[in-house]
Amino acid sequence: NAGVTQTPKFQVLKTGQSMTLQCAQDMNHEYMSWYRQDPGMGLRLIHYSVGAGITDQGEVPNGYNVSRSTTEDFPLRLLSAAPSQTSVYFCASSYTLTSGSRGSYNEQFFGPGTRLTVL
Amino acid sequence: DQQVKQNSPSLSVQEGRISILNCDYTNSMFDYFLWYKKYPAEGPTFLISISSIKDKNEDGRFTVFLNKSAKHLSLHIVPSQPGDSAVYFCAATGPGANNLFFGTGTRLTVIP
Repeated sequence: NAGVTQTPKFQVLKTGQSMTLQCAQDMNHEYMSWYRQDPGMGLRLIHYSVGAGITDQGEVPNGYNVSRSTTEDFPLRLLSAAPSQTSVYFCASSYTLTSGSRGSYNEQFFGPGTRLTVL
Repeated sequence: DQQVKQNSPSLSVQEGRISILNCDYTNSMFDYFLWYKKYPAEGPTFLISISSIKDKNEDGRFTVFLNKSAKHLSLHIVPSQPGDSAVYFCAATGPGANNLFFGTGTRLTVIP
């Protein structure tokens, strides 16, 4: 199993440009999510999905779009990049609470991250 | 408003001694708590968790303690090893939820 993969590892954008951060998992997890990590802020949830065709907003959704057309993929789109979106982005996946084998909560597996700089 | 707080940005400990990392939370609805470990240029990896029905969970050198009345949890690492040097994040979630709320992290340095 490759686990959770993210591409690209690094990206530099100019203000106003758009791009898509890719995330894929091969563990058949229903739940997938995107976090951003900023200095002094920890990880903050951007968007999440509990299954194909279902997405919802997290703590900091503004400026980002997501879609979930398959169980495996959960891309994050920046429609018009801003310097405030300079961050490290992590994708994560897990079984949902209604399935899996870990009991009351199923640990989330994280990808290696994408470091994004917006100039 | 930060619902999960780690007030110590960094901690240095001698190899072989105990490392104690602390975490406080404000939301009384949180019922499951996790610790993640993160090395530079890698994603966080799950370390240990605890349900609110317990006050202690142990896994090898790692023990997590939960004090619900104080809304406080701590991670103990005994004995500390140089390979434990990393950033440790505390996280919490509520009933029926998958979404995690993270603290700001504590950078642990274990000195050989």
